[in-house]
Amino acid sequence: NAGVTQTPKFRILKIGQSMTLQCAQDMNHNYMYWYRQDPGMGLKLIYYSVGAGITDKGEVPNGYNVSRSTTEDFPLRLELAAPSQTSVYFCASSPPVGLAGGELFFGEGSRLTVL
Amino acid sequence: SQKIEQNSEALNIQEGKTATLTCNYTNYSPAYLQWYRQDPGRGPVFLLLIRENEKEKRKERLKVTFDTTLKQSLFHITASQPADSATYLCALGEKSSGSARQLTFGSGTQLTVLP
Repeated sequence: NAGVTQTPKFRILKIGQSMTLQCAQDMNHNYMYWYRQDPGMGLKLIYYSVGAGITDKGEVPNGYNVSRSTTEDFPLRLELAAPSQTSVYFCASSPPVGLAGGELFFGEGSRLTVL
Repeated sequence: SQKIEQNSEALNIQEGKTATLTCNYTNYSPAYLQWYRQDPGRGPVFLLLIRENEKEKRKERLKVTFDTTLKQSLFHITASQPADSATYLCALGEKSSGSARQLTFGSGTQLTVLP
């Protein structure tokens, strides 16, 4: 199993450009997540999905969009990139998580710089 | 306001000693708490989960305690080794969060084990 695969690993964007970060998982997990991590800060949830066709906003959704057409894929779209979106982006997946909690499986991250 | 604080951004200890990392939280009602390890340039990797009704969990050289009265979790690595050097993140799963039981992460403690 490859686990959670993110592409690209690195990308430089100019202000105002758009791009899509790809995320795929092969563990048949229902839940998928996008986080961003800024230096010295914790991971912040951008969007999450509990299954194909269902997405919801996290803590910092502004400037991003997602879609979930299949169980395996959860792309993150950046429209009109801004310097504030310079960050490392992590995709994660998990089985359904209830009050008992559950382990998140993370990808290796996509480092994005907006100049 | 809600806050998760991990003690000191960096912690240096001598090989063979026990490392103790702290995670304090304010204005949360966690159903569970998790600890992750993150190496430079990599995604977080799950280590341990402890639920609100559990006082202590162990896994090999790792031990986690959870005190909901003190609003604190302690993470111990016994007989530490240079290979344990990494950033350690705590994350809360709150009872009142949405169906995905969104995790809220602390900013992490960078542990260095000196040979």
